Amino acid sequence: GAVVSQHPSWVICKSGTSVKIECRSLDFQATTMFWYRQFPKQSLMLMATSNEGSKATYEQGVEKDKFLINHASLTLSTLTVTSAHPEDSSFYICSARKYRGGTETQYFGPGTRLLVL
Amino acid sequence: AQSVTQLGSHVSVSEGALVLLRCNYSSSVPPYLFWYVQYPNQGLQLLLKYTSAATLVKGINGFEAEFKKSETSFHLTKPSAHMSDAAEYFCAVSGAYSGGYQKVTFGIGTKLQVIP
Repeated sequence: GAVVSQHPSWVICKSGTSVKIECRSLDFQATTMFWYRQFPKQSLMLMATSNEGSKATYEQGVEKDKFLINHASLTLSTLTVTSAHPEDSSFYICSARKYRGGTETQYFGPGTRLLVL
Repeated sequence: AQSVTQLGSHVSVSEGALVLLRCNYSSSVPPYLFWYVQYPNQGLQLLLKYTSAATLVKGINGFEAEFKKSETSFHLTKPSAHMSDAAEYFCAVSGAYSGGYQKVTFGIGTKLQVIP
């Protein structure tokens, strides 16, 4: 199997606070994890690529100082939304890359819904 | 460069009817293709994937998809729709390397409604 978990599943916070979201690959090691953001009725937008032991790679237009990513181990990546504002409210989904037989497949976490008041 | 086009943001079928969700792709390299399903307030679950082996790929929950290179298509089908199939379905393509990994590009999604 390939199971990815996220915690928390829901978070409500006040504007200006920071929120940390964890993404874990439970039954495999993932040197690479991805963070996506999904707006209502839209597809997933890649925010950044999290690499174990090195800095994350951010997509164009994503503020790296606002969305801090740390890939602390082969099974854990964290996304911290710093000084959150209402416009950061969204559904954040992580995925972990599993490489087998020359093919890469991304396995997704269940998502974290963030609401900033 | 790679992209995915999903035709039809909403598809409605009757319970027991054929499900057909369309996906066309473009890729500068031989593609890997995926279908994911997303239930409300949940992450994405892999339904099936094409990785250059058999062109007809069978996935979970009775779904299958056929890779047609000449048509650059990877349509998802299921012979008989079930109420539990109501969800959003995303087609995705990968293959091109960028920064050392294969970036996955998603389509905009197709919401499947199953009518009793």
